[in-house]
Amino acid sequence: DIQMTQSPSSLSASVGDRVTITCRASQSISSYLNWYQQKPGKAPNLLIYAASSLQSGVPSRFSGSGSGTDFTLTISSLQPEDFATYYCQQSYSTPWTFGQGTEVEIK
Amino acid sequence: QVQLQESGPGLVKPSETLSLTCTVSGDSIDGYYWSWIRQPAGKGLEWIGRIYTSGSTNYKPSLKSRVTMSVDTSKNQFSLKLNSVTAADTAVYFCVRVRSGSSYDWFDPWGQGTLVTVSS
Repeated sequence: DIQMTQSPSSLSASVGDRVTITCRASQSISSYLNWYQQKPGKAPNLLIYAASSLQSGVPSRFSGSGSGTDFTLTISSLQPEDFATYYCQQSYSTPWTFGQGTEVEIK
Repeated sequence: QVQLQESGPGLVKPSETLSLTCTVSGDSIDGYYWSWIRQPAGKGLEWIGRIYTSGSTNYKPSLKSRVTMSVDTSKNQFSLKLNSVTAADTAVYFCVRVRSGSSYDWFDPWGQGTLVTVSS
């Protein structure tokens, strides 16, 4: 199985901050990387697919980059509604696997 | 707008079979892969497997011996069965549609999730 490792596991940030979350794959996965946002008690919501494609309806302050083994999710200016847990997920090969999550908390 | 809704018992006894159904509304189930994903309380997401509308399946190897997925296109539904459950199978179970484009796959949308507790 391909292991996905996110860092940090949690972070504290203020509204307006630029936030970066990193995801590393245990082997090259090209651009087969997706990002999801999950709020407490809710299902995850797709933000970014194919490493850098913004899902329709997702604010442009979210962006994704990377290829191979190293990927980044960036929130350019953190908004109150962005406090949530973020997961990366590889779709390079089954079994599809997720990172352990990064919780973004209010500072 | 496609919507997914999980249904099934919220409580299953150890060693018995967990059975869930996902009803798809707003679009035909045909022509897509559909997946089940679970999340134990306070933990991360685990992909269980996927099924195409032809009935073709792929399961997570560590669960393969206990998992069966099926699809009923006439009802626009797909299902999950997980047998010989233990407390470790207690989780929120999500059904999701697999979107594909240019060889990439991603999960969208997701059902709201249903909590299944394994306990006697």
